[in-house]
Amino acid sequence: GAVVSQHPSRVICKSGTSVKIECRSLDFQATTMFWYRQFPKQSLMLMATSNEGSKATYEQGVEKDKFLINHASLTLSTLTVTSAHPEDSSFYICSARAGTGVNTIYFGEGSWLTVV
Amino acid sequence: GENVEQHPSTLSVQEGDSAVIKCTYSDSASNYFPWYKQELGKGPQLIIDIRSNVGEKKDQRIAVTLNKTAKHFSLHITETQPEDSAVYFCAASKSGSGYSTLTFGKGTMLLVSP
Repeated sequence: GAVVSQHPSRVICKSGTSVKIECRSLDFQATTMFWYRQFPKQSLMLMATSNEGSKATYEQGVEKDKFLINHASLTLSTLTVTSAHPEDSSFYICSARAGTGVNTIYFGEGSWLTVV
Repeated sequence: GENVEQHPSTLSVQEGDSAVIKCTYSDSASNYFPWYKQELGKGPQLIIDIRSNVGEKKDQRIAVTLNKTAKHFSLHITETQPEDSAVYFCAASKSGSGYSTLTFGKGTMLLVSP
């Protein structure tokens, strides 16, 4: 299957700082990328959807100024958690969709964020 | 919007037994149904998917069935092995112009005992 790489896999940051997570599609062009947040023992919660070259569409309740998403190329999307607080600590997962009208979506390995 | 229900939430089986996980969906327009396996601390891995133009798909020990009329689909794992232990998520989406998002079930924790 297609490969989606996510980096870093684990990051610890101080409260009040910002942290960036990268998501790359390694062997295909991703017209759409998705960012999820997952709490322990729960399902994936969609945060936002981004199409290359356009602004991300955020789900209800997700602060767009806090979770900045950039999808500058067909193989890279970034999620920046700004002014992080301990409650932002979570498992963040990206996924990428190849092409249009095709629904196969591949996930990255996830990034554990701990805000101290 | 779409709503996906998944059952059971936990499933314990003995090695070699079969495991079945069931999902229902609400939007009759949904036409793509993937299943993901998530191991602890890792991202979900696509294991099998089915589109609405077929009723069954099989890949070695894994099979998925789809009943469009009843709006439910199921994952079947035969000859289970301890390494099958993980959380399994079903999802539904609909294709068309533009992009489409996946709606996930709440997950099933499968435990295969040796």
